[in-house]
Amino acid sequence: DAGVTQSPTHLIKTRGQQVTLRCSPKSGHDTVSWYQQALGQGPQFIFQYYEEEERQRGNFPDRFSGHQFPNYSSELNVNALLLGDSALYLCASSLWGRWAYGYTFGSGTRLTVV
Amino acid sequence: SQQGEEDPQALSIQEGENATMNCSYKTSINNLQWYRQNSGRGLVHLILIRSNEREKHSGRLRVTLDTSKKSSSLLITASRAADTASYFCATDGNQFYFGTGTSLTVIP
Repeated sequence: DAGVTQSPTHLIKTRGQQVTLRCSPKSGHDTVSWYQQALGQGPQFIFQYYEEEERQRGNFPDRFSGHQFPNYSSELNVNALLLGDSALYLCASSLWGRWAYGYTFGSGTRLTVV
Repeated sequence: SQQGEEDPQALSIQEGENATMNCSYKTSINNLQWYRQNSGRGLVHLILIRSNEREKHSGRLRVTLDTSKKSSSLLITASRAADTASYFCATDGNQFYFGTGTSLTVIP
């Protein structure tokens, strides 16, 4: 299956620490978007990467940063973790400019900050 | 911030019944999509409807769009226990804005 792969699936971190989440997009996709989903809420857009550049950003502080690599995979970094950062982090891949085809989502990384 | 709002927030029906959920959004769109999410896992794309379409079907799914009211509805006919999930609408752009979701429970 050449779907979206996220790692790790679960993570527990201590307040103040830093975390890196990883995403491999679906084969053939070149764009990666990251979403944060708090319990009982809809996904909130964090940012989107295409051609190794951040193209759009949602309303998230600078503690949230990312990177895209030449193979289109991506990382999400969160510094100085807060308890409120506990959430499911979803990666979605797509083809740049082909939004009508929808996103393919990974199963997410469940981050718990204690 | 979230663009859409689904209604109702939660819905419980018997297997075999139809389930209808609604989505309202705030700004003009090019297309609207519906996604399903099982137990806090990844979202699965269900169906897309473009702004110049009023109705679309895919299997047991029927989606309508009323751009004048900035609203859409998703109908699932002959529901099954496996349809139990949360359903989100997402409005377009080069990023998607998701609503708050409708939690559907289908009782066998």
